[in-house]
Amino acid sequence: AQKVTQAQTEISVVEKEDVTLDCVYETRDTTYYLFWYKQPPSGELVFLIRRNSFDEQNEISGRYSWNFQKSTSSFNFTITASQVVDSAVYFCALSEPPDYQTGANNLFFGTGTRLTVIP
Amino acid sequence: GAGVSQSPSNKVTEKGKDVELRCDPISGHTALYWYRQSLGQGLEFLIYFQGNSAPDKSGLPSDRFSAERTGGSVSTLTIQRTQQEDSAVYLCASSLVEAGPYEQYFGPGTRLTVT
Repeated sequence: AQKVTQAQTEISVVEKEDVTLDCVYETRDTTYYLFWYKQPPSGELVFLIRRNSFDEQNEISGRYSWNFQKSTSSFNFTITASQVVDSAVYFCALSEPPDYQTGANNLFFGTGTRLTVIP
Repeated sequence: GAGVSQSPSNKVTEKGKDVELRCDPISGHTALYWYRQSLGQGLEFLIYFQGNSAPDKSGLPSDRFSAERTGGSVSTLTIQRTQQEDSAVYLCASSLVEAGPYEQYFGPGTRLTVT
């Protein structure tokens, strides 16, 4: 079974602080995909990143970085020098390879972490 | 280009009434997903469309829920005889499905409140 755990329900930081959002996943597949989505107050989920299970290279995009560690089944997300606009709910999600019959690759989401950046 | 759109953005209905929620996916996206986001919960998969067919309905919580998709584009999620536990935000997403798990693009959602 697939499961994504985001143990941090809410985090508050002061602007310019760094913050790490944790994500731990469970899957029996050897090939899988991990995602992070941002849900600002407007409600629309915004895609941030997708990682393949066979590529453990960490990634940096501006103030965002992701640390993928298969040994601990974690895919943590760090925001450096946080800004008020980073305030949102962040979701980690897991996808298995598309079903060979249906083509479906449903996303299994964690419960999200609400980040509040205080000016 | 235009993203995924959903209507209405908010819907308040009385218990027992039927509701229809609409999703317009990104043009050219053949895969369409419906998810439900309840307060304090993550997103829960409901149904998946490939073109006009729904090969995966495993997430529909009861037979009061149904969905259809016409012309490989617009999809409608229908909830019959609504119950208070149906109150949630219903999100639609679309993606390309030619190969691999392309990221899903989400609409703004429909907030359903059943009174």
